[in-house]
Amino acid sequence: ETGVTQTPRHLVMGMTNKKSLKCEQHLGHNAMYWYKQSAKKPLELMFVYSLEERVENNSVPSRFSPECPNSSHLFLHLHTLQPEDSALYLCASSRGTGPDYGYTFGSGTRLTVV
Amino acid sequence: AQSVAQPEDQVNVAEGNPLTVKCTYSVSGNPYLFWYVQYPNRGLQFLLKYITGDNLVKGSYGFEAEFNKSQTSFHLKKPSALVSDSALYFCAVRDMNSGYSTLTFGKGTMLLVSP
Repeated sequence: ETGVTQTPRHLVMGMTNKKSLKCEQHLGHNAMYWYKQSAKKPLELMFVYSLEERVENNSVPSRFSPECPNSSHLFLHLHTLQPEDSALYLCASSRGTGPDYGYTFGSGTRLTVV
Repeated sequence: AQSVAQPEDQVNVAEGNPLTVKCTYSVSGNPYLFWYVQYPNRGLQFLLKYITGDNLVKGSYGFEAEFNKSQTSFHLKKPSALVSDSALYFCAVRDMNSGYSTLTFGKGTMLLVSP
């Protein structure tokens, strides 16, 4: 257990469904991230939150909507997804956004859009 | 802009032999470099990082990496591979001179260690 917990571990949803991914950390970290992992592609940074404020949105379609209610929790709300959105969604946290801070990752949510 | 290249999709090595997983990087300033490992159905786990100082960095599970500024490389190495080292390995870079920046990851290299 890394200290970053993601739920659910697996999710199958239809294209018209609405679902949410949850990430929780109790490491005292101030920054949280959503990454998308597809096979044989670099990890794609989706969103960055620092001290609960969104500081980066990497041209992610609006069908993905993040929420960070406090420094320990991060959500990714999903609606009207496409089959190409099927991937492993990873949450990470770091002590800060300075250049020498590494990330602690959760185990991910395996999303399948049908 | 910063980027990382992992030229090999897969590396095969026999148990007990030395292994190398290659990584080259591009940043405008000085780099912070990281290696992460991902086991099946798990998130990425930190292995080691280079910030400054000695070009040979030692990390978890007997892994080490060598920073080579002239070749802009940060190859991951281990003197004697174990079957349990089989996993997906990611190199990542961050620009040291950027006040705010995120880690940029490569596409990963699958390491397969045969008994």
